[in-house]
Amino acid sequence: KNQVEQSPQSLIILEGKNCTLQCNYTVSPFSNLRWYKQDTGRGPVSLTIMTFSENTKSNGRYTATLDADTKQSSLHITASQLSDSASYICVVSARDSSYKLIFGSGTRLLVRP
Amino acid sequence: DTGVSQDPRHKITKRGQNVTFRCDPISEHNRLYWYRQTLGQGPEFLTYFQNEAQLEKSRLLSDRFSAERPKGSFSTLEIQRTEQGDSAMYLCASSSASGTNTDNEQFFGPGTRLTVL
Repeated sequence: KNQVEQSPQSLIILEGKNCTLQCNYTVSPFSNLRWYKQDTGRGPVSLTIMTFSENTKSNGRYTATLDADTKQSSLHITASQLSDSASYICVVSARDSSYKLIFGSGTRLLVRP
Repeated sequence: DTGVSQDPRHKITKRGQNVTFRCDPISEHNRLYWYRQTLGQGPEFLTYFQNEAQLEKSRLLSDRFSAERPKGSFSTLEIQRTEQGDSAMYLCASSSASGTNTDNEQFFGPGTRLTVL
């Protein structure tokens, strides 16, 4: 069964600190992996997208990594800001149905002053 | 605003009533998706359209749910005889079909939060 699992479920950090969120997936055949940021009460917004051949992608203070062999990804947030407080969702799509996104349950990040 | 829009943003209804949500995708996008998201979970795929054709429906979409995209532009999602278990955020997304997977990025609307009393 195609699944995406994320850890931790929730995380609290102080403003200015770094953090890393994890994602493991069993989706096959793999097409691409996305990280989305979802503010409370809003739709998800894409941060990064990586295909099989890419192992790192940056978007400002966000850096995603992908290890397609171990089927793991991470999202590293540098110098966190209060506005980073949100849910971060790992999303994987399979090559045979790339339109159907498989979502993890997300990591809820709270950045405190 | 050229993003995906959804209406209403919030809907409170009594059990047994019918509700209808609307989604307006990004104008040049020919694919449109509906998802349901419950608290603390990621979105779950419900259905998707390519132009006006509904190409796939999830098993989550019971016979009380129906989605349409009559002219290949906006879409509606109707829930008949609502139940308390239907309470969730209903998200719409759109994308443009292309030959590369990375181009098929889905852009999400703000969602419609449904509460069934």
